[in-house]
Amino acid sequence: QLQLQESGSGLVKPSQTLSLTCAVSGGSISSGGYSWSWIRQPPGKGLEWIGYIFHNGRTNFNPSLQSRVSISIDTSKNHFSLNLISVTAADTAVYYCARRNYGDSHFDLWGRGTLVTVSS
Amino acid sequence: SYVLTQPPSVSVAPGQTARITCGGNNIGSKSVHWYQQKPGQAPVLVVSDDYDRPSGIPERFSGSNSGITATLTISRVEAGDEADYYCQVWDNSSDRSVFGGGTKLTVL
Repeated sequence: QLQLQESGSGLVKPSQTLSLTCAVSGGSISSGGYSWSWIRQPPGKGLEWIGYIFHNGRTNFNPSLQSRVSISIDTSKNHFSLNLISVTAADTAVYYCARRNYGDSHFDLWGRGTLVTVSS
Repeated sequence: SYVLTQPPSVSVAPGQTARITCGGNNIGSKSVHWYQQKPGQAPVLVVSDDYDRPSGIPERFSGSNSGITATLTISRVEAGDEADYYCQVWDNSSDRSVFGGGTKLTVL
């Protein structure tokens, strides 16, 4: 059964870069027909979609974050990654990775999430 | 960009019916999905494509969507249904996902 697992630094200093990886196990990230998204949730607040990537590298991002975010995919390591530059305390959140079947518009599989705190 | 509006909170007594709304411009023309999130856990899909229930989701959960409002209905509410609920659509014009602000369901 396919599973997603987020990993990365749990503490990032202001103005630095937040980097996270989502490892895909139990299946290949290269199989067509899926997009791979990052979604975040600040403490006590709602869900915010960050962006997605396809296996061919095509991406799209939330306009509110577009100038600071990048998502990449490494099919040889079966994972995809998030980079968010110039972070502030407002970027403190639980970050989730999730899968969407291209034929659908919902997220059918989520990671457990990882908390990233931005603080000096 | 597309906006989804949910009430911040809904309260209901056990055994009663809870209705959580999600408003958006012509939302009836979109596929609406609903997620349940309990504290410290990742969201779980409870209704997809307006009214479909994923495997393992009780029949008590149902959905509807028309005009400017989509609704998640939970019948015979149980204490274990207490959670945050989020609606979500895919905005095809921008090829981006949008979430509603979330509704906290309290079981009295």
